[in-house]
Amino acid sequence: EVQLVESGGDLVQPGGSLRLSCAASGFTFSSFWMAWVRQAPGKGLEWGANINQDGSEKYHVDSVKGRFTISRDNAKNSLYLQMNSLRAEDTAVYYCARGYCSGGSCYYFDSWGRGTLVTVSS
Amino acid sequence: EIVLTQSPGTLSLSPGERATLSCRASQSVSGNYLAWYQQKPGQAPRLLIYGASTRATGIPDRFSGSGSGTDFTLTISRLEPEDSAVYYCQQFGRSTFGGGTKVEIK
Repeated sequence: EVQLVESGGDLVQPGGSLRLSCAASGFTFSSFWMAWVRQAPGKGLEWGANINQDGSEKYHVDSVKGRFTISRDNAKNSLYLQMNSLRAEDTAVYYCARGYCSGGSCYYFDSWGRGTLVTVSS
Repeated sequence: EIVLTQSPGTLSLSPGERATLSCRASQSVSGNYLAWYQQKPGQAPRLLIYGASTRATGIPDRFSGSGSGTDFTLTISRLEPEDSAVYYCQQFGRSTFGGGTKVEIK
């Protein structure tokens, strides 16, 4: 069974940093694209970033470019999102998802974690 | 960037009725690569349909997807109480999502 478990969400002040992690199990992690999708409170879904199987291709939504960086460690079956210069509008539940992607676009996301909440507030 | 508009915003129907959800794209969706997700309160989204019409693993056959180009439809043929949720469409280009349709079961 595919399992994705996010961690690292917290309350952080504007301008602060946070690192999210996603532990994957139940599938060959190194064979799949992975992504972060976020959902602001009471709002819809927004793709945030995705990364290819070996980490050589990374894509980020325009609103986080230069501030967030997606990465992965296949030896640890883990996905990460380094979040810097956080803003109030980054407040959201961040989901780790397994994706079927090509470049900066994904056909679909077939497995999702339960999410981790990031709150940016003073 | 392609914008996906979902309608109606909310659908209120009785068990056993048919639900028809619309997802309209501002431009043609590449390869008809359109997916549908179900999200219940406090839960992660669940993939229902990909490639506009292919059901994901374990999805009941009362869920079906259709459409091409700019107009896509998710149909739930016989609503059950557990189908109460928000449904999102998502297209390939920059992985954009629609705003969602809330389905309420009376």
